[in-house]
Amino acid sequence: SQTIHQWPATLVQPVGSPLSLECTVEGTSNPNLYWYRQAAGRGLQLLFYSVGIGQISSEVPQNLSASRPQDRQFILSSKKLLLSDSGFYLCAWSYPSGQINEKLFFGSGTQLSVL
Amino acid sequence: QQQVKQSPQSLIVQKGGISIINCAYENTAFDYFPWYQQFPGKGPALLIAIRPDVSEKKEGRFTISFNKSAKQFSLHIMDSQPGDSATYFCAATRGVSGTASKLTFGTGTRLQVTL
Repeated sequence: SQTIHQWPATLVQPVGSPLSLECTVEGTSNPNLYWYRQAAGRGLQLLFYSVGIGQISSEVPQNLSASRPQDRQFILSSKKLLLSDSGFYLCAWSYPSGQINEKLFFGSGTQLSVL
Repeated sequence: QQQVKQSPQSLIVQKGGISIINCAYENTAFDYFPWYQQFPGKGPALLIAIRPDVSEKKEGRFTISFNKSAKQFSLHIMDSQPGDSATYFCAATRGVSGTASKLTFGTGTRLQVTL
């Protein structure tokens, strides 16, 4: 069975510090990978998605970047955090493009507080 | 521009009652409409989904009603239980072969089922 791991669960970082959130998926090959941010009252906002190693698509301009160094690893980064980067970050995966892939499977999330 | 509007923002229902959450969409190209359930501190999980070729889909106590002409769909939770207390998100997407899933989410409804 497939599992998704996301860490850390909570993170408190000062403004201007770097960020690295990691997500890995087990039990499937070549998944589509996603980073979402959840803000109160604003639902889930898609930040980045990737259909393969090194292939990153950004949905919104922002202070964050994403990378996919391995097939089942997805990393969310920032060089200098802003207060507005605070939120609940969710990694998700779906089956590869070409299969029925509308279903998203989410990790347990990282609560990021930038102070 | 928000493409999926969800209401109400919060809902309190007595145990055994019916919980109803509504969503409206704008993009007539959408052809997959899932509902996700999220418990506090956890990532969302797919609850039930519908495609526009049917007007209703039922899974246990959960039912999606779909009105294509009105561009609306709703989640009904029959015999609501305290364990159903969670945040519910509707979503929509257009399934396009060969691409990643790009779900558009509603803003969420926080459901509380009281004893």
